[in-house]
Amino acid sequence: AQSVTQLGSHVSVSEGALVLLRCNYSSSVPPYLFWYVQYPNQGLQLLLKYTSAATLVKGINGFEAEFKKSETSFHLTKPSAHMSDAAEYFCAVTRSRGSARQLTFGSGTQLTVLP
Amino acid sequence: DAGVTQSPTHLIKTRGQQVTLRCSPKSGHDTVSWYQQALGQGPQFIFQYYEEEERQRGNFPDRFSGHQFPNYSSELNVNALLLGDSALYLCASSETGLHNEQFFGPGTRLTVL
Repeated sequence: AQSVTQLGSHVSVSEGALVLLRCNYSSSVPPYLFWYVQYPNQGLQLLLKYTSAATLVKGINGFEAEFKKSETSFHLTKPSAHMSDAAEYFCAVTRSRGSARQLTFGSGTQLTVLP
Repeated sequence: DAGVTQSPTHLIKTRGQQVTLRCSPKSGHDTVSWYQQALGQGPQFIFQYYEEEERQRGNFPDRFSGHQFPNYSSELNVNALLLGDSALYLCASSETGLHNEQFFGPGTRLTVL
């Protein structure tokens, strides 16, 4: 079984500061990992994904994440926060093997960007 | 391309009633997954449909059922509604394949009174 744990349900940063959202995973097989963003009253949008290629993954809107097997982590970072980054962020995991691709999500981190 | 569309946007029902939610996948996608997102939580997988069959199911009771049509669109049915069924229901579509990405619709907000 796979699971993800997101540390910190709420994170606040100042505009221009580093954004760091934490995600640790548990998986019995090599995982595929994803970060999604959800703006108020909207569905989920994929920011980036790790599918066993490069361990440093670059996504949209300046976000990136690094897969660290030794730490079972997949933290999301952005060098400089923008007001438009305020949203809820979800880490998700799925199996890399098998045909079914159900996503298992973390509980989410609400990012607030302060002016 | 309209992306994944869902209807209705909002729905209010009373306990014991039945509800049907609809989803049209992104063009070219043949797999549809449904998720339930309770307030303040991450989405939880309900089930996935491919080739008009339920391929995988999460930990949801039989009150939750679905269907996929030949055009790949899908319905989620919930019978005997409970207050706890109040949530945002998300549909996601994808192509069958190794690195498929799931594209999410905007969701249907179900309120059970």
